[in-house]
Amino acid sequence: SQTIHQWPATLVQPVGSPLSLECTVEGTSNPNLYWYRQAAGRGLQLLFYSVGIGQISSEVPQNLSASRPQDRQFILSSKKLLLSDSGFYLCAQGGGDYASYNEQFFGPGTRLTVL
Amino acid sequence: DQQVKQNSPSLSVQEGRISILNCDYTNSMFDYFLWYKKYPAEGPTFLISISSIKDKNEDGRFTVFLNKSAKHLSLHIVPSQPGDSAVYFCAASAGNQFYFGTGTSLTVIP
Repeated sequence: SQTIHQWPATLVQPVGSPLSLECTVEGTSNPNLYWYRQAAGRGLQLLFYSVGIGQISSEVPQNLSASRPQDRQFILSSKKLLLSDSGFYLCAQGGGDYASYNEQFFGPGTRLTVL
Repeated sequence: DQQVKQNSPSLSVQEGRISILNCDYTNSMFDYFLWYKKYPAEGPTFLISISSIKDKNEDGRFTVFLNKSAKHLSLHIVPSQPGDSAVYFCAASAGNQFYFGTGTSLTVIP
């Protein structure tokens, strides 16, 4: 079965500081990986998805970026955080060699507060 | 542009009764639909799904109905239990991309 790790679990950062959130998955290879953000009172907004190493698709233009240096590692970054970046960030995995591409499995999330 | 919409932000139901959560979508290319349940400060967990070639899928107390002509799906929970209290997201997919609704917060009253 798939296991998704995210860290840190919570993070408080000042405006203008950099950000690095990490997501790693276990239990499958060649997964599609996703970053979502859930802002207060809003749904899940797709930020980035990746179908392979070095392949990143951005859904929403913003000051965030993503990278996939390894098959099972997905990193969300920012050079300068904004107040509006506060939210609950979720990494998700879909598909892979041993899973259906029709389903997504989510990590535990990272609560980011920008002050 | 919100391609998947959940127009009811909240719903309260008495324990033992039916909970009906609704979801509408706009993109006719969506071919797979999912429901997720989410507790605060946790990631969503998969609940039930349905392919666009079906109009109903049942799993225990949970049934998902799909009306393609109306671009509408619904999740029925019968009987509702207090442990079902959570935020429910519907999602639709086309290829590699998934689109989520804004969620409906369900409260089951004991």
